[in-house]
Amino acid sequence: GQQLNQSPQSMFIQEGEDVSMNCTSSSIFNTWLWYKQDPGEGPVLLIALYKAGELTSNGRLTAQFGITRKDSFLNISASIPSDVGIYFCAGMNSGGSNYKLTFGKGTLLTVNP
Amino acid sequence: GAGVSQSPSNKVTEKGKDVELRCDPISGHTALYWYRQSLGQGLEFLIYFQGNSAPDKSGLPSDRFSAERTGGSVSTLTIQRTQQEDSAVYLCASEQRQGGIHGYTFGSGTRLTVV
Repeated sequence: GQQLNQSPQSMFIQEGEDVSMNCTSSSIFNTWLWYKQDPGEGPVLLIALYKAGELTSNGRLTAQFGITRKDSFLNISASIPSDVGIYFCAGMNSGGSNYKLTFGKGTLLTVNP
Repeated sequence: GAGVSQSPSNKVTEKGKDVELRCDPISGHTALYWYRQSLGQGLEFLIYFQGNSAPDKSGLPSDRFSAERTGGSVSTLTIQRTQQEDSAVYLCASEQRQGGIHGYTFGSGTRLTVV
């Protein structure tokens, strides 16, 4: 089946630093998504990317859908303590009405105040 | 309700017992998904419901796992004869069927521990 390789597995940074994480896939996706999960909660959508080459921003977050449709990255600028959490990439190929997602294993981000 | 509600939030069960996990989706959301999150892993797709039918059950790990949805709303995931490897967080998500992905909302999950 499809697999997503997400890196790095974890990051420990100082407040104010920029962060970058990425995902690569063995196969093509037509949609890429980035989620954040806080402890004891379900993932929350941060950014959705629908078009190869698309670069999208949401506040301090920027994500890009790779031109080959097999990769995506997420950047967080000027990190703050509340950015702490697990970040997941997810890919989707909608088959009819089925929008199931394939997830990476996550990047654990720790921000030192 | 305002969000996806899952119950119980935590469940500890003995190996070999059956468990039922419940998901109340957002009212009006026709699509419902179950995922499993094992320690240090990403989310693994289990099953997809459109209304009360399940066109995609391909992620269910074994025949000990089953799920149903009634009234196009509440869904129950049942695990029979639980094993220790079933220990994980089980997450439910519902989606509004208007195209696009923005309506995909997760619950907080049920943390299942099999001892």
